[in-house]
Amino acid sequence: SQQGEEDPQALSIQEGENATMNCSYKTSINNLQWYRQNSGRGLVHLILIRSNEREKHSGRLRVTLDTSKKSSSLLITASRAADTASYFCATDAGANSKLTFGKGITLSVRP
Amino acid sequence: GAVVSQHPSRVICKSGTSVKIECRSLDFQATTMFWYRQFPKQSLMLMATSNEGSKATYEQGVEKDKFLINHASLTLSTLTVTSAHPEDSSFYICSAGATGLAKNIQYFGAGTRLSVL
Repeated sequence: SQQGEEDPQALSIQEGENATMNCSYKTSINNLQWYRQNSGRGLVHLILIRSNEREKHSGRLRVTLDTSKKSSSLLITASRAADTASYFCATDAGANSKLTFGKGITLSVRP
Repeated sequence: GAVVSQHPSRVICKSGTSVKIECRSLDFQATTMFWYRQFPKQSLMLMATSNEGSKATYEQGVEKDKFLINHASLTLSTLTVTSAHPEDSSFYICSAGATGLAKNIQYFGAGTRLSVL
């Protein structure tokens, strides 16, 4: 069953703008991850944040986690047309456990 | 590093035939592999978890006799869709997790688009 719920479901922005995507989940987690999927392709891992972390950065990506609200956000700064893809949050309950994916957000970055 | 190869990328077959999809970890040993199914514009649905040398664990509602999974080595898992029918048409994606790498990160293949006529 789906754990994460992302919003918005679709986001269209101009190149250079920032994109913020949100994810909410229902049960306790060990880690929360964000993945990216280009159309018709597999997923690529972007960033992992542990349940005891509040914020993490990787290049143009910034992830926050609020376990009290069971929510996370992914910020992509200075977006590029190449960032156009679907983005999924995924949660896990521990080492080697399965991931539960949200429904995904479709991001379109207009050149 | 951490490359997963999935083959074929696309298959079209007649109803009633069986289709085998391979998932290989190219530069690491995958103790656990996962098989997902994805419908258009939807999320990934986990079908089964495959551990090397043991039987796969199927998610509720997934027919194990329909979707045969074999994980015979630390670098190869296969999914066979037996007696495929049009409703089996979908995008199938595998992923692998590995001991020694970040355990909770999964590395995905590029997916297989199955079309059953």
